[in-house]
Amino acid sequence: DAGVTQSPTHLIKTRGQQVTLRCSPKSGHDTVSWYQQALGQGPQFIFQYYEEEERQRGNFPDRFSGHQFPNYSSELNVNALLLGDSALYLCASRGRGGPLSYNEQFFGPGTRLTVL
Amino acid sequence: KNEVEQSPQNLTAQEGEFITINCSYSVGISALHWLQQHPGGGIVSLFMLSSGKKKHGRLIATINIQEKHSSLHITASHPRDSAVYICAVVRFNTGNQFYFGTGTSLTVIP
Repeated sequence: DAGVTQSPTHLIKTRGQQVTLRCSPKSGHDTVSWYQQALGQGPQFIFQYYEEEERQRGNFPDRFSGHQFPNYSSELNVNALLLGDSALYLCASRGRGGPLSYNEQFFGPGTRLTVL
Repeated sequence: KNEVEQSPQNLTAQEGEFITINCSYSVGISALHWLQQHPGGGIVSLFMLSSGKKKHGRLIATINIQEKHSSLHITASHPRDSAVYICAVVRFNTGNQFYFGTGTSLTVIP
């Protein structure tokens, strides 16, 4: 089992561009959450997907959107990139039972996004 | 004010020292997690606590629900323990989302 995987590992974009980050959950997991971690800060919750729908959302603008596919993998899309979007984007997956089931989250290695 | 506060923010220790990292939170929680993040980003879950104390090797984690406080202890610290340690709480009625502290950056010097 490869655990949670994310791609790409690093990405450089310019202001105004759009970016798509990808996450494959740990085998057997059905709930995926995305977090943004700015340098020197703790991660901040962006949103969570379960059964291909956004179930919860943190305090992020609509420029941040996502998708979950039938195989439980997920994408995070960010439009109209700003310099402040530069961060490590972490994906975490949770075991079967949906968002309210109490299972430990497993984190991916993250995607380092730099916006110039 | 952040709902989860950690102290200290930075910590440097000599190899072999006993280390304590503290976490205080201000909301009702169903569990507290201690996470380890190495340079490059990967996060590993060390402990998940809802009460009492847990031990794994040289790591010990305690939680006092009444005082809304948790501590992570590292005995006989080693340079490979150098990492950022993050406290994260799971709040009630939030779909089990994590709310993170800002982390404690630990450097253990040989």
